[in-house]
Amino acid sequence: EVQLVESGGGLVQPGGSLRLSCAASGFTFSSYWMSWVRQAPGKGLEWVANIKRDGSEKYYVDSVKGRFTISRDNAKNSLYLQMSSLRAEDTAVYYCARITTLNIFYMDVWGKGTTVTVSS
Amino acid sequence: DIQMTQSPSSLSASVGDRVTITCRASQSIGSHLHWYQQKPGKAPKLLIYAASSLQSGVPSRFSGSGSGTDFTLTISSLQPEDFATYYCQQSFGALTWTFGQGTMLEI
Repeated sequence: EVQLVESGGGLVQPGGSLRLSCAASGFTFSSYWMSWVRQAPGKGLEWVANIKRDGSEKYYVDSVKGRFTISRDNAKNSLYLQMSSLRAEDTAVYYCARITTLNIFYMDVWGKGTTVTVSS
Repeated sequence: DIQMTQSPSSLSASVGDRVTITCRASQSIGSHLHWYQQKPGKAPKLLIYAASSLQSGVPSRFSGSGSGTDFTLTISSLQPEDFATYYCQQSFGALTWTFGQGTMLEI
């Protein structure tokens, strides 16, 4: 079964750091681009970051550039999101998603999410 | 950045109704447009990719159309399990993506 399981969420103070993880199973992780998407409480979906199969290309939404870093370990079938200088507006459920690329990129498999709360 | 605008923001309908949701891009995105369904407390689920391709396992009552800047998601005959929030999302260009603001479909 194709599966993505996020972990690492929690309560952190403004200005703090947190690292999210996403464990992939049931597919060849190294063959896929991967993504992080977040959803603030009561709000819509916001794309956060993408990473290429080998980690050589990374893309971010403007609001997290310089603060968040997406990375992956293909040997461990794992995706990560290192978050620093956290702000209240980063409070959200964070989802990892698999990107399928058939000429067009789209997110076809999603994890259940992990909750990040930034508050003092 | 490419902006995505969905309409309506919310919609009331009944079981058996035909429903159409519209998504407009701020510039041409070809067919790089996808639709997701999200139920409360759950992860999004891919319904339609590349504007009109039905994701495996998704019922055929869902369909998508459009290209360029204007796209639609149609549910031909609403079922009770279809009441959810629907999002469009573009994946055109330099791998910086955006979602529409969502359409909440209610009874």
